[in-house]
This record gives sequence, C-alpha cells and structure tokens, in this order.
Amino acid sequence: DAGVTQSPTHLIKTRGQQVTLRCSPKSGHDTVSWYQQALGQGPQFIFQYYEEEERQRGNFPDRFSGHQFPNYSSELNVNALLLGDSALYLCASSLRVTAYNEQFFGPGTRLTVL
Amino acid sequence: AQSVTQLDSQVPVFEEAPVELRCNYSSSVSVYLFWYVQYPNQGLQLLLKYLSGSTLVKGINGFEAEFNKSQTSFHLRKPSVHISDTAEYFCAVSEGRDDKIIFGKGTRLHILP
Repeated sequence: DAGVTQSPTHLIKTRGQQVTLRCSPKSGHDTVSWYQQALGQGPQFIFQYYEEEERQRGNFPDRFSGHQFPNYSSELNVNALLLGDSALYLCASSLRVTAYNEQFFGPGTRLTVL
Repeated sequence: AQSVTQLDSQVPVFEEAPVELRCNYSSSVSVYLFWYVQYPNQGLQLLLKYLSGSTLVKGINGFEAEFNKSQTSFHLRKPSVHISDTAEYFCAVSEGRDDKIIFGKGTRLHILP
C-alpha cells in the first residue's frame, strides 16, 4: 500500500519565479492538506482540498494556490516567490469520514528560493 | 483560537533513561491531540493520538502521553529511550474533523551515549 508521495524531492528557484509541487495521497484517501515547515519550526497549515475544492485555508497570501484532481492528487502553486518561501512543503492525506482527521504525511519537497 | 506550546526546544537525555516532552495547548472547545515524530529528512509520522476516553494514551515505539484537561497539557513520555529515538517531536491539536491541525514548534530529542 503506497503512502503519500510528493514530487519533486528538492527544488531550487529564484525570487519572482513560480513553482508547482505535486502530491499523491495514500490509497483510499480523499482529502489533501498542505503545510509549510520553515527551518526550526513546526508545520503551518496552508490549505485543504476535498472534492476538488479548497475547504479551509490558513494565513497564507493568495500567491499560494492549489488544485485537486479527480483522482484526489493535488498540486500546490506558489507565484512570485520570495526568499521567505524557502521551506519544506509537506502534503498530508486523510479520509474525510474519519472523525478525528488523522493525517498521513509525505516526505516533503524542499524548496530553496535564491 | 487554538495554540500549542512546546516548552522545550531541545531535550538531551542519556540512552536508556526516561524522558518527558512537554506540551500545553489552548482551545475554547474539546480537542483532539496528537504527537508526531519527524526523523531527519523525512515527513511526519503519527506517534499517538487522544480522541476521548482514557486520559493515558499509548502509542508506537513505547511512547505514551497523558491528557490533563485541567492543566491543558498533553506530555509525552518514554520510560527508556534508545538512540533510534533521536528525532524532532511535534505536539498538535485539532478541534475536529473539519478543522485544521495546529502544530507546536517542536522539541528535538537528543540521545546521549
């Protein structure tokens, strides 16, 4: 049973560029959440997708956007990259009917903005 | 609004000694509580969770945590640590299925030989 997978593993971009990160949820899961983990910090919630719609959003600017596809996979897009966007981006999947929202995390994509 | 405070950023402990990682939370409603572990260069793995019922929760790898509602705490404990327990540990809170998970800043557990 494949767990949550993310691609790419590492990415280097320059300020002002745009980036797309990808996530495939654990088999059977229908909900995908994205988190940003800056160095030395805990993960911060960006947004959550279910049924191809953004259901919740954390305190992130509109430069951060996402998409969920019919097969439940998801993309995170970040426009006009800033140095401060350098972080580990984690994707987590869950099954919405689960009462306690247990999330399974992927290994993350390390984004470096120069 | 919910928040999570992990009181120690780093905890050094000798191998085979007991350890406690402290976590306090704030919320105006009932919560679900979690401890996650992050090994170097990996994603987060769920150690244990408190949903309801018994306040003592047992998880994987010999870890346990105790929910204390009056003190709004959810401290993580292990009676005897191993070198393989070296990792970052995150306490987290959620107010339910439709709510996001809020993480603390993490505690780095450093096992001394």
